[in-house]
Amino acid sequence: DTAVSQTPKYLVTQMGNDKSIKCEQNLGHDTMYWYKQDSKKFLKIMFSYNNKELIINETVPNRFSPKSPDKAHLNLHINSLELGDSAVYFCASSPYGTSEKTQYFGPGTRLLVL
Amino acid sequence: ELKVEQNPLFLSMQEGKNYTIYCNYSTTSDRLYWYRQDPGKSLESLFVLLSNGAVKQEGRLMASLDTKARLSTLHITAAVHDLSATYFCAVDMGTWGNNDMRFGAGTRLTVKP
Repeated sequence: DTAVSQTPKYLVTQMGNDKSIKCEQNLGHDTMYWYKQDSKKFLKIMFSYNNKELIINETVPNRFSPKSPDKAHLNLHINSLELGDSAVYFCASSPYGTSEKTQYFGPGTRLLVL
Repeated sequence: ELKVEQNPLFLSMQEGKNYTIYCNYSTTSDRLYWYRQDPGKSLESLFVLLSNGAVKQEGRLMASLDTKARLSTLHITAAVHDLSATYFCAVDMGTWGNNDMRFGAGTRLTVKP
């Protein structure tokens, strides 16, 4: 009964490949997010979706494309992987329209590009 | 552009001691969050501070928010080894409906016996 789940947990791949990371939340939240955490632990927001609509689209390469088939899922597809894409990617979700709006994070996907 | 600055970035302290982590931010916001991250793990929500003067406490941790000074503090009382982790503050730049959190760089806390 994990609240926010991500698959895979680990991803090792070669430069130039295309890969996807999946995220699902069972909290009934309307808003989902993708973050990138680099080797120095710095967390940066990449995308935010509210009820399948793109809300935040930070300056990330267009090789990264989020897809939200429904409000419980937000997947991240990465084309032509580069060495600098190696990081931990976190998915998160939060309720919409409440005062607190705490974000709940998934376990992370550790991506290593060789 | 919003800046969220935490200090110190690294903190090594003895068990039983007290210390404060500071989080300064550069633009107006009245929602601030503190998260904890253990090595190799996800982020866990600790506190949500929603207004000027808000103070919340949980165990040995107490967080406060001064929106006029654009400053939040996380105070650690009588530290124990289990508190060793990285602590992040995050400022919410979003609207009422959605949040748009911008994180500080994190404070890596090590509590030594």
